[in-house]
Parts: sequence; structure tokens; C-alpha cells
Amino acid sequence: GEDVEQSLFLSVREGDSSVINCTYTDSSSTYLYWYKQEPGAGLQLLTYIFSNMDMKQDQRLTVLLNKKDKHLSLRIADTQTGDSAIYFCAPRDNYGQNFVFGPGTRLSVLP
Amino acid sequence: NAGVTQTPKFQVLKTGQSMTLQCAQDMNHNSMYWYRQDPGMGLRLIYYSASEGTTDKGEVPNGYNVSRLNKREFSLRLESAAPSQTSVYFCASSELARGTYEQYFGPGTRLTVT
Repeated sequence: GEDVEQSLFLSVREGDSSVINCTYTDSSSTYLYWYKQEPGAGLQLLTYIFSNMDMKQDQRLTVLLNKKDKHLSLRIADTQTGDSAIYFCAPRDNYGQNFVFGPGTRLSVLP
Repeated sequence: NAGVTQTPKFQVLKTGQSMTLQCAQDMNHNSMYWYRQDPGMGLRLIYYSASEGTTDKGEVPNGYNVSRLNKREFSLRLESAAPSQTSVYFCASSELARGTYEQYFGPGTRLTVT
């Protein structure tokens, strides 16, 4: 089955850029999602990238995909205190509807 | 439009007790899911239902049962709770939209088994 790895913690200063990394093992993953979880809440879809793309930009968010190395990253520009949350990487294959979630990266934004 | 709702929000059980976690969605989605979230382990799929009347096991189904009561509702039952089932439980639903499946999550149920 799919294995997904992420660093568990990341701290950045307000106004800096944050880069959250994810590696996965299943090369058949067709869609790769990023979810955000704020304290005490469920997960919220942030963005996703299709496997035939290298990059996707959505306002302050930039997703980079290196399909050869099976590496996905999420860059948040001008990080704000409201960005403090846990970020989950979740690949999905093209055959099923099931997602495999990474362990999550807890982003702390320092003033 | 409430999205995905879950009840209860918190629950404490003694070992061996049973309970049912309720989930409902008002987005007319076909697919529904139950996950558990444990620290440092992300979300693990317990059961899912691709459509009304069907259910399938996920990664960690032991100790749980589910019922897809109708298109809106998907319940998770613990017949004999164990301390290892202490976790936060999330229900989700999804539908194909804009070429991909987007999952929508409920707020979660925090369960403690003593």
C-alpha cells in the first residue's frame, strides 16, 4: 500500500515563507491533495495537483510536484498567524476514491 | 447547508461499553467515510461506503461496525470499547467534482475509553 511521510513540525516567523514537504511511494497516485486542520476542527481541503502537472499556484499557495522522486511540497508565502495548523498530504490513485493521509506537519507561526 | 455533522462531539466510555457515532451529510454525496486520527499517525480509514447500501473495510476495521442507513447517514458502532480505541473520529463525504474527488469532513468526535 501507499506510504506517505512528512516532517511532524515546522516553525516559521510571521511574514516568512513556509515549505511543507511530503514523500509518497505509490507512483500510480493521480491526484495529490493538501488538507489543513485547525485546532479542534475537521480537515479542510486547501488545494490539489494532478500528477501531470509540475506546479500549481493558488494565491499564497504554491504546490510543487516531482513525480520522478515522488516528492510533493506546499509553499505558503507571507505566512500569517492564521496559517498555524496541521497540514496533511494525501495522495489518491485514479482507481478508487480512497485517500491515504500522511502523519501531518504542525506549522507554528511565531510573531 | 450544514455540510457534514457528527454527534456526539465528546464521549467517555468504560472498557466493554458500546456506543454509536452518528454522521450525516446534506450535500447529496454518494461516498462516505469513517477515519480515526491518532497523534503522529495522520488519519486512518476505518470503513467507507461508496454508495447507499454498500460498505467496505478500510485499513483498521477491527472492533468497529458501520451502517449506511440511507444516502445521508453513515454510523459507526463500537460493540465493546477498548482503551486502544481512544481517538478522534472523523466522518467525511465526497463526490466527483471538477474532475476530482473532494472530501468534506465533519468536526470530529473525541472518544476516550477508560
